[in-house]
Amino acid sequence: GQNIDQPTEMTATEGAIVQINCTYQTSGFNGLFWYQQHAGEAPTFLSYNVLDGLEEKGRFSSFLSRSKGYSYLLLKELQMKDSASYLCAVRPAGAGGYNKLIFGAGTRLAVHP
Amino acid sequence: KAGVTQTPRYLIKTRGQQVTLSCSPISGHRSVSWYQQTPGQGLQFLFEYFSETQRNKGNFPGRFSGRQFSNSRSEMNVSTLELGDSALYLCASSLVRGTASYEQYFGPGTRLTVT
Repeated sequence: GQNIDQPTEMTATEGAIVQINCTYQTSGFNGLFWYQQHAGEAPTFLSYNVLDGLEEKGRFSSFLSRSKGYSYLLLKELQMKDSASYLCAVRPAGAGGYNKLIFGAGTRLAVHP
Repeated sequence: KAGVTQTPRYLIKTRGQQVTLSCSPISGHRSVSWYQQTPGQGLQFLFEYFSETQRNKGNFPGRFSGRQFSNSRSEMNVSTLELGDSALYLCASSLVRGTASYEQYFGPGTRLTVT
């Protein structure tokens, strides 16, 4: 089966750091993606991990452990505009999995002043 | 570079009707995927087209179909609409080089309401 779990909601303070976790169980693995989605808008690409370790991109970092089926998205120096849903998505392995993404339900992050 | 575009942005249809949605990918992107997003089920994969061929399909009934044209533009069709088909339909395009695919970029979506 395919299962991706992430917390439903999180709150944080402007200027702080927040970590959003994602665990997955999928039929094979060929990469994990994080997307940001503001209410009423389309998801926007944040990061991609296919090998274990940390990928850093400005205020955003993403970590992957394939053996544990675990990833996290780290957001530093939080700003009000970071209030959004954060979606974890896994691309299954195999030739048929190229652009089929399995999404988690998303984590709604609220940033307070 | 222009992003992914989808038309129409909003649509209201009646049960039993059929609907066609259109997606134009980012220039140079030959893979187009379609997703359905609802509050209850989240984002769910419908199908992917690459070089005018469907190469991936999700778990949706046969009422949902699609196609891709030689310029990579794609359409999806839903026949015999049901109330439960009310959703945001998102299209995403991706670059493909050899056997490697890259991140997907989403269009603004088509909000379909079935009454």
